[in-house]
Amino acid sequence: KNEVEQSPQNLTAQEGEFITINCSYSVGISALHWLQQHPGGGIVSLFMLSSGKKKHGRLIATINIQEKHSSLHITASHPRDSAVYICAVRSDSGGSNYKLTFGKGTLLTVNP
Amino acid sequence: DGGITQSPKYLFRKEGQNVTLSCEQNLNHDAMYWYRQDPGQGLRLIYYSHIVNDFQKGDIAEGYSVSREKKESFPLTVTSAQKNPTAFYLCASSQASSGGANEQFFGPGTRLTVL
Repeated sequence: KNEVEQSPQNLTAQEGEFITINCSYSVGISALHWLQQHPGGGIVSLFMLSSGKKKHGRLIATINIQEKHSSLHITASHPRDSAVYICAVRSDSGGSNYKLTFGKGTLLTVNP
Repeated sequence: DGGITQSPKYLFRKEGQNVTLSCEQNLNHDAMYWYRQDPGQGLRLIYYSHIVNDFQKGDIAEGYSVSREKKESFPLTVTSAQKNPTAFYLCASSQASSGGANEQFFGPGTRLTVL
């Protein structure tokens, strides 16, 4: 079983819809990352969070440490939001552990 | 501009040949990483380095080698021992601080195809 599970795997929406992508993990973590990968392959870091909620423009990320769950929300979705969204966690095993464990990604397609 | 560069973007090699993928960063980051991405799978860590002249194996290091002679550079060599080298390779870097979580910045990737 993968330590990081994302749902859904694929998501198709109409422009303007509210989008939610979920991430569940099974280990204790010190941080969770949300990343965006466009068709060309490059990856951009959207959020890094360890508690609560962060907002950047139309994107909102929340995390519930007790439930080991995070969500990424996109308000007023737009075709340019079409990408793969990846959740990654850094475990809290201590020491100089910089390793991230990645989910398989959620492919979002926003149609005009 | 600060960032991470990887070259080339597309690379083709014949089976049995070693190939080296370049990764350079001008972010003054101590830590650098190499990941491999295959269809339907999450990114997997190949090698990482926290400091110059030191590096550690990741989860799938077999068939790969790295060097870290300069802070800015972390080249990855895909050797002929790697059984399935065709993949998308991503380099990343971050600040290194003990116990702290730091954002990783990713390069644009190199798509390697072995014929």
